[in-house]
Amino acid sequence: DGGITQSPKYLFRKEGQNVTLSCEQNLNHDAMYWYRQDPGQGLRLIYYSQIVNDFQKGDIAEGYSVSREKKESFPLTVTSAQKNPTAFYLCASSIAYGPTDTQYFGPGTRLTVL
Amino acid sequence: GQQVMQIPQYQHVQEGEDFTTYCNSSTTLSNIQWYKQRPGGHPVFLIQLVKSGEVKKQKRLTFQFGEAKKNSSLHITATQTTDVGTYFCAGKPRGAQKLVFGQGTRLTINP
Repeated sequence: DGGITQSPKYLFRKEGQNVTLSCEQNLNHDAMYWYRQDPGQGLRLIYYSQIVNDFQKGDIAEGYSVSREKKESFPLTVTSAQKNPTAFYLCASSIAYGPTDTQYFGPGTRLTVL
Repeated sequence: GQQVMQIPQYQHVQEGEDFTTYCNSSTTLSNIQWYKQRPGGHPVFLIQLVKSGEVKKQKRLTFQFGEAKKNSSLHITATQTTDVGTYFCAGKPRGAQKLVFGQGTRLTINP
């Protein structure tokens, strides 16, 4: 099956701990994205990557870090510097980085920081 | 920064009633995309509009892109319980480097 996988589906962490969210795609897409979704709000872009070994900050990058060492993988680390990390995190990919390129979303990871 | 505004934020209808959500931008959009997110799920692409005044239909769903390319709408005729979810628009405002998502309209339906 082709698609995007995110793991785990639910994640609990203690305050002050860093946590890494996994995102893998086998669609052979060049571009990948991380979004944060809070209740009643839309999707806010955290980081995006147009191509392997390159990534750019989105609108709310503070307290997050990413890497793009492989085309199919784009992990997101939520650091202890993120003040309010509890949220639903969505990874997406598109064939290329362009506004007309359809984004395909993974199932999401719901992070709760206790 | 550039924003894409979506209204209403919430809409509750009786099954069989129609539903419309609107997407507005203060600047011209190069395109508009619509996504649907079921409760507990992830956004799924529905359609993309690119041309001024464009209208596309998918069964009971009608999508429009305004003549000035600053607004768009999604209309659902005779809603069914399977239509429940949050509908997002997304577009690239002039001067923006990336796609911007609206806040979404959450549709609930009374069967």
